This record gives sequence, C-alpha cells and structure tokens, in this order.
Amino acid sequence: GIQVEQSPPDLILQEGANSTLRCNFSDSVNNLQWFHQNPWGQLINLFYIPSGTKQNGRLSATTVATERYSLLYISSSQTTDSGVYFCAVRPSNDYKLSFGAGTTVTVRA
Amino acid sequence: DAGITQSPRHKVTETGTPVTLRCHQTENHRYMYWYRQDPGHGLRLIHYSYGVKDTDKGEVSDGYSVSRSKTEDFLLTLESATSSQTSVYFCAISGQSMDEQFFGPGTRLTVL
Repeated sequence: GIQVEQSPPDLILQEGANSTLRCNFSDSVNNLQWFHQNPWGQLINLFYIPSGTKQNGRLSATTVATERYSLLYISSSQTTDSGVYFCAVRPSNDYKLSFGAGTTVTVRA
Repeated sequence: DAGITQSPRHKVTETGTPVTLRCHQTENHRYMYWYRQDPGHGLRLIHYSYGVKDTDKGEVSDGYSVSRSKTEDFLLTLESATSSQTSVYFCAISGQSMDEQFFGPGTRLTVL
C-alpha cells in the first residue's frame, strides 16, 4: 500500500513562532487532507488539497503532486494550535484514507 | 461542521459480549467509513459503505461486521468483543465523488 511519512514527529514552539510540517507519500493520489486532532481527540479538517496552495487564516498548505509531498504552514502559532497534525492520502485505486503517523505540536505560552 | 454523530461516546464492556456502535449523518452522503485509532498505528479502516446495503472490508476487518439499512446510519458490530478491540472508533463520511472525508467525534471503547 501507499506509504505516508510525516516530519518532524514532534515540534515544540514558542507562542508566535512559525513552523512547517511536511508530508511525503509514495504514490499518486486523488485526495490529500490535513487534519488537526485536538487534545480532546476530535479530528478537525484543515485542508482538502490534492494539489496547489490554499490558505485559511494563519494556516496554509501546499501540495506538489508531481513530487509527492505536501507542506502545512502554521504562522504566529497560538497555544490552541497544540495537538497532533495528520496528513492523509487516498490513491485513485482505493476507498480508504491512509494516514501518516502525525506530527505532535506543542505551543508554549 | 459536517453533521455526524456517534453513539455511544464512551463504553466499557467485558470480553465476549456483543457491542454495536452507531454512526448517524445528516448530510445525505453516499460513502461512510469506520476507522479505529490506536497508538503506534494511526487510523486504520475497518469497513466502509458505498450505499445502502453495500459494504466492503477494510484493512482490519476481522472480528467486525457492519450494516447500513438507511443512508444516514452505519452500524459497527463487535460480535464477541476482545481486549484487542479496545480502541477509539471514528466514523467518517464523504460525498458522491469520494472527495473530502469528514470525521465524527469518536467512540472510546474499553474491553475488559
């Protein structure tokens, strides 16, 4: 099956700092999503981005499908940004999303 | 927010008992999924449905069955729960083109 690798595994930030999370995948995909799992366990959709660039407030994402990677940018981080960020992909021949192991982000005040 | 609810939200049960988890959606989406989340394994697909009465197995389907008699409801049944099925279970939905998936709030199941 498709392999999804996220880096770094852990990230500690001071409030106000910027950061970049990376997702590499091993095959072409029809769907790529970024999620934030908050400390209460809820999976929140951040971006649906199989290709191109999107922005939503302090967050933005870029997927370069031909090179099989996606980046999630967090600017001016806040303590509420803490949690685990997952990248998930769906190849064209599959129904399921395959998840990366996640990046655990801790933002300190 | 996508209209997805799961019930119960928490359950503790004993080994060997049957358990049914319910996922309910108000979005009239065609596709519904059950995933489990475990430390060290991330989220893995158990079963999915592509329409009423149309279901198929995912990557970790052993010990689980599903049913979908209405568009809005997708049930996951553990016929005889085991301790290895202690996990957090998430339901997800997606529309006609299988694009963006939206997840429910999750059910934490503990099998003693």
